[in-house]
Amino acid sequence: SQKIEQNSEALNIQEGKTATLTCNYTNYSPAYLQWYRQDPGRGPVFLLLIRENEKEKRKERLKVTFDTTLKQSLFHITASQPADSATYLCALDPSYNTDKLIFGTGTRLQVFP
Amino acid sequence: DVKVTQSSRYLVKRTGEKVFLECVQDMDHENMFWYRQDPGLGLRLIYFSYDVKMKEKGDIPEGYSVSREKKERFSLILESASTNQTSMYLCASSFQRAGDNEQFFGPGTRLTVL
Repeated sequence: SQKIEQNSEALNIQEGKTATLTCNYTNYSPAYLQWYRQDPGRGPVFLLLIRENEKEKRKERLKVTFDTTLKQSLFHITASQPADSATYLCALDPSYNTDKLIFGTGTRLQVFP
Repeated sequence: DVKVTQSSRYLVKRTGEKVFLECVQDMDHENMFWYRQDPGLGLRLIYFSYDVKMKEKGDIPEGYSVSREKKERFSLILESASTNQTSMYLCASSFQRAGDNEQFFGPGTRLTVL
């Protein structure tokens, strides 16, 4: 069956360290993958998009990698801060070029001082 | 900035009532989406629309209908609310049907059906 998996357990890290979140998928061949941030009680906010022909994408302290062989995307936050504490969702388009997205269940990140 | 607004942040309804959730976007986006979000299940697509009066079923359309009479407004209708429709409902929009567009989300409506 098709599915997207993110670590359901919360990730707790110390301020200043690099947080790495994982998104694995099976039985999809997405043209791109997106990452969103969601704060409690609010809607998700788009962070980054990475295409299948891109190995890596960066935006300020954020870095995303996309390995279509492993069917995996990694999301890194360097020099993490308590304000980075949130749930991070990955999403992919299951049917190329339709704009529909399938979301993972998200990983909750907690950065403590 | 794109703004997606939803008619209510919190809503309490009784079983069997007809419920309307309204969503408005102000950036002339062609695509609009309705999701529900439940713990452990993540975001699941109920319906989406890529043009006025156009709609397509998502993964969990049963018990729901939608209406898009104007480009900026997308309504989700629960014809006869049931307790298993208690959830957080999120509306989103994106620019056009061309793939890879980011989605902009509203703040969500937490619906409780008693």
